[in-house]
Amino acid sequence: DSGVTQTPKHLITATGQRVTLRCSPRSGDLSVYWYQQSLDQGLQFLIQYYNGEERAKGNILERFSAQQFPDLHSELNLSSLELGDSALYFCASSGRQAPLRETEAFFGQGTRLTVV
Amino acid sequence: GQNIDQPTEMTATEGAIVQINCTYQTSGFNGLFWYQQHAGEAPTFLSYNVLDGLEEKGRFSSFLSRSKGYSYLLLKELQMKDSASYLCAVRAQKYNFNKFYFGSGTKLNVKP
Repeated sequence: DSGVTQTPKHLITATGQRVTLRCSPRSGDLSVYWYQQSLDQGLQFLIQYYNGEERAKGNILERFSAQQFPDLHSELNLSSLELGDSALYFCASSGRQAPLRETEAFFGQGTRLTVV
Repeated sequence: GQNIDQPTEMTATEGAIVQINCTYQTSGFNGLFWYQQHAGEAPTFLSYNVLDGLEEKGRFSSFLSRSKGYSYLLLKELQMKDSASYLCAVRAQKYNFNKFYFGSGTKLNVKP
């Protein structure tokens, strides 16, 4: 158990719909990362938050947005869904209260999104 | 930006040794990580190097040369369960926080 919790585990929805994926980082971790992984593809970095602020953005579509709340949990919102958005969405967390003592990134089990 | 390159796919035989290479270009380098990912599952941490040299952890070892921007993961006594993707990741520090950059992964096929 990595300590990172993602919900839901599976999600099936129709094209054009909007979904919200949730991530609870490990206790004390300040950084949250979101990744998209399509079938047989590598991890595609979407966005990073650090202590509530957006810190880095990857190739995240304008239809996608995210935020990190004061309790450090994060949500990834996907709207106007298309078939090509079907993928595994991973959340990872890292960074203790003292970033210089940070170690590896820990991954949640992912949310498998299927758009039909 | 950050560039991380690793082979797309490799095949090896059960019981053998395999070396998976990773090259990177980054600023603010603050550690290199290897992760294992089985299909449909979350990546799990394997090893971490921040200084040059070899880190050994059972059947797995990882090597780093910061001057060359090069790392490898060595897997010994391969088992069928080692069939997975292996992700090389670089951690870079910017201001007061870190960011992880992942390579696309090397899919390792272990055959009997």
